Amino acid sequence: AQTVTQSQPEMSVQEAETVTLSCTYDTSESDYYLFWYKQPPSRQMILVIRQEAYKQQNATENRFSVNFQKAAKSFSLKISDSQLGDAAMYFCAYRPGGSNYKLTFGKGTLLTVNP
Amino acid sequence: KAGVTQTPRYLIKTRGQQVTLSCSPISGHRSVSWYQQTPGQGLQFLFEYFSETQRNKGNFPGRFSGRQFSNSRSEMNVSTLELGDSALYLCASSPGGGYEQFFGPGTRLTVL
Repeated sequence: AQTVTQSQPEMSVQEAETVTLSCTYDTSESDYYLFWYKQPPSRQMILVIRQEAYKQQNATENRFSVNFQKAAKSFSLKISDSQLGDAAMYFCAYRPGGSNYKLTFGKGTLLTVNP
Repeated sequence: KAGVTQTPRYLIKTRGQQVTLSCSPISGHRSVSWYQQTPGQGLQFLFEYFSETQRNKGNFPGRFSGRQFSNSRSEMNVSTLELGDSALYLCASSPGGGYEQFFGPGTRLTVL
């Protein structure tokens, strides 16, 4: 069974600084997708960034980028120029390829942004 | 496009009762998944429906069931409620393929 591990229950960062959230996963599949989701206190889960396993290039979305190390099964999220609105719970998630849409989530990392 | 909507947003039930939660996916999305979120267990997959068929199922007892209608709207039912069923229930829809799932705001279920 696939597992996703987020080893940092809580992280904090100063506004305008950079922070990296860690995620490791375990799978025997070669085709899969990885996601970072953000859940602010209002509870609506929103996608931050996605990565296809077959793509070697790391995904980037504005201030958010990932470091995808397929051999090490590592998928970290870097947030640059942190803003107060980035404060939220961040979840790393894994989805196999094909028609299985089940997302396996890590336990989450609570990010605090200090002004 | 309107996002994923879930009704009701809050529910209070007592042990032994049953409950039905509703989810309307984003227009055009044929896949609907349900997740249970609790402080202790985190986010756990319940089941996924695609074109009215359950394609995948998580490790939940048979008290948890769902269905999907021809317009892709989905319902989740929990029978004989237990205190441990208190949770935030999230619905997510997807257009399919490698696309991400889009989540609704959730239904907060409290079982007394």
